[in-house]
Amino acid sequence: SAVISQKPSRDICQRGTSLTIQCQVDSQVTMMFWYRQQPGQSLTLIATANQGSEATYESGFVIDKFPISRPNLTFSTLTVSNLSPEDSSIYLCSVESETARNTIYFGEGSWLTVV
Amino acid sequence: AQSVSQHNHHVILSEAASLELGCNYSYGGTVNLFWYVQYPGQHLQLLLKYFSGDPLVKGIKGFEAEFIKSKFSFNLRKPSVQWSDTAEYFCAVTQGGSEKLVFGKGTKLTVNP
Repeated sequence: SAVISQKPSRDICQRGTSLTIQCQVDSQVTMMFWYRQQPGQSLTLIATANQGSEATYESGFVIDKFPISRPNLTFSTLTVSNLSPEDSSIYLCSVESETARNTIYFGEGSWLTVV
Repeated sequence: AQSVSQHNHHVILSEAASLELGCNYSYGGTVNLFWYVQYPGQHLQLLLKYFSGDPLVKGIKGFEAEFIKSKFSFNLRKPSVQWSDTAEYFCAVTQGGSEKLVFGKGTKLTVNP
């Protein structure tokens, strides 16, 4: 399985600011995904990030609020912009295994609290 | 839209008790099914998965799950739980060839020693 590292693991941010979360994978992967887990809720897919193309966003998520970069096959960033308390969540980076299709592995998550 | 239901929010068991966590999904086409586990302070880990073939799938740590197509279910089972099984368990589904996971809300399992 892929080893996925996320930074920061936790942060407390002021409303109106932005936070950029980094995701580093120990191997090259084609498909990377960003999920959100709000308190007491299930994980929800924000967007799919493929290297060399614009991220594909799910319904209810827009690029202006959640800009994503994917500069190479091992790295991606998710920015949560113009923070509000409703953005307090765990944000998770995940990748599809290159050897086991449709098998998704997750990073440790980044816990964001907006005050 | 596809949805996944996990009926139990919090399950509390004693060690050696048997476990069954329910999972139902709404999509009628071809699905891939997953159970993930999140131990306290750790990241989500894949417990087991079903793509095709034998509907009884065995995973790590003695867990198994049975796909019952007629019931749209993929329940997770373990004959005898241990204290170390205390965690949150998530059922997830992808449709056909899609990589997009749709998750249930999770079931928190507490195993008392």
